[in-house]
Amino acid sequence: AQTVTQSQPEMSVQEAETVTLSCTYDTSESDYYLFWYKQPPSRQMILVIRQEAYKQQNATENRFSVNFQKAAKSFSLKISDSQLGDAAMYFCAYRRYGGSQGNLIFGKGTKLSVKP
Amino acid sequence: DARVTQTPRHKVTEMGQEVTMRCQPILGHNTVFWYRQTMMQGLELLAYFRNRAPLDDSGMPKDRFSAEMPDATLATLKIQPSEPRDSAVYFCASGLGLLQGAVETQYFGPGTRLLVL
Repeated sequence: AQTVTQSQPEMSVQEAETVTLSCTYDTSESDYYLFWYKQPPSRQMILVIRQEAYKQQNATENRFSVNFQKAAKSFSLKISDSQLGDAAMYFCAYRRYGGSQGNLIFGKGTKLSVKP
Repeated sequence: DARVTQTPRHKVTEMGQEVTMRCQPILGHNTVFWYRQTMMQGLELLAYFRNRAPLDDSGMPKDRFSAEMPDATLATLKIQPSEPRDSAVYFCASGLGLLQGAVETQYFGPGTRLLVL
């Protein structure tokens, strides 16, 4: 069974600084998707970024980028120029590429605080 | 701006009562997921539907939970009878199923926060 591990329950960053959130996963599949979701205090789950395992290039969305290391099964999220609005829970998630098993498998989350 | 909607946003009920949560997926999405979030277990899949048919409900306690899609614009999750341990945030997510079966990206609703006293 696939598992997703986020080893940092909490992280803190100074406004305008850069922070990296860690995520590792375990799978025997060769093709899959990885996601980072953000959950602010409103509880809404917001997609931050997505990575296809077959793509070697790391995904980037504005101030958010990932470091995808397929061999190491590592998928970290880097937030540059941190803003107060980035404060939230961040969840790393995995999904198989094909087949009928389309659900996401989530890590336990990392709570990010942003200091002014 | 297409989004998943869920009602109610908050629900407080007493143990033993029936609870019904509703979800309206994004128009055109053919796959709907129900997740539950608790402090102890994190986010867990309860059930999901493709083209209104249940594909997987193995994460759902069958004796008290039921999930249905009466039509393409409505998914329901029902708990009867409810218990205090059901207190959680219940998320609905929708997506477009690909030919090979999986869903590219899931878009989440705002969740229903349930408290069973």
